[in-house]
Amino acid sequence: DVKVTQSSRYLVKRTGEKVFLECVQDMDHENMFWYRQDPGLGLRLIYFSYDVKMKEKGDIPEGYSVSREKKERFSLILESASTNQTSMYLCASSSGGSRYEQYFGPGTRLTVT
Amino acid sequence: QKEVEQNSGPLSVPEGAIASLNCTYSDRVSQSFFWYRQYSGKSPELIMSIYSNGDKEDGRFTAQLNKASQYVSLLIRDSQPSDSATYLCAVSDAGNNRKLIWGLGTSLAVNP
Repeated sequence: DVKVTQSSRYLVKRTGEKVFLECVQDMDHENMFWYRQDPGLGLRLIYFSYDVKMKEKGDIPEGYSVSREKKERFSLILESASTNQTSMYLCASSSGGSRYEQYFGPGTRLTVT
Repeated sequence: QKEVEQNSGPLSVPEGAIASLNCTYSDRVSQSFFWYRQYSGKSPELIMSIYSNGDKEDGRFTAQLNKASQYVSLLIRDSQPSDSATYLCAVSDAGNNRKLIWGLGTSLAVNP
């Protein structure tokens, strides 16, 4: 079974803090993704990575950055947290090849006060 | 703008009935199609994938794909209260197959 883990289930941070969210997958997947999910807005892609040190912007990259130094690990960084970044953050991974089904971690509920 | 559309619901069915969930997509050349189940407060869980026209069955779940009409559906037979969740449809982005385009989901309530 694919296992995707995220560093925290719940996180509370203050406005202006730098926030690190970490994701680890154990299936040697090439592709990793960071989404945020908000009521009524669905899943929105922030960034994704298709190889170590490679990244592409998703639909809403502003205010975020990412790092992928090892294949199994993909980090999301909020450079200066703001209240409008309060959300559920979901990490996912998928293999290469032709199927591309994505597997999700449990999510991190981030609250910025 | 590439879109995946789902009826938001809620769709309410009695226990033991067939639940039918539908999804339409705009990009005619999309190749891969997925259904995810998401319980409240939890992350999405892949339940079905389908890649070619026709039906694909897995237990109580059947996915149906019609590329000419650009729709994909999910049937849940013998619905159980534990099937109550939001069901997300996702379609591969033809411009970059690694990415998925997501619908907003259909809320399903199965009543005992």
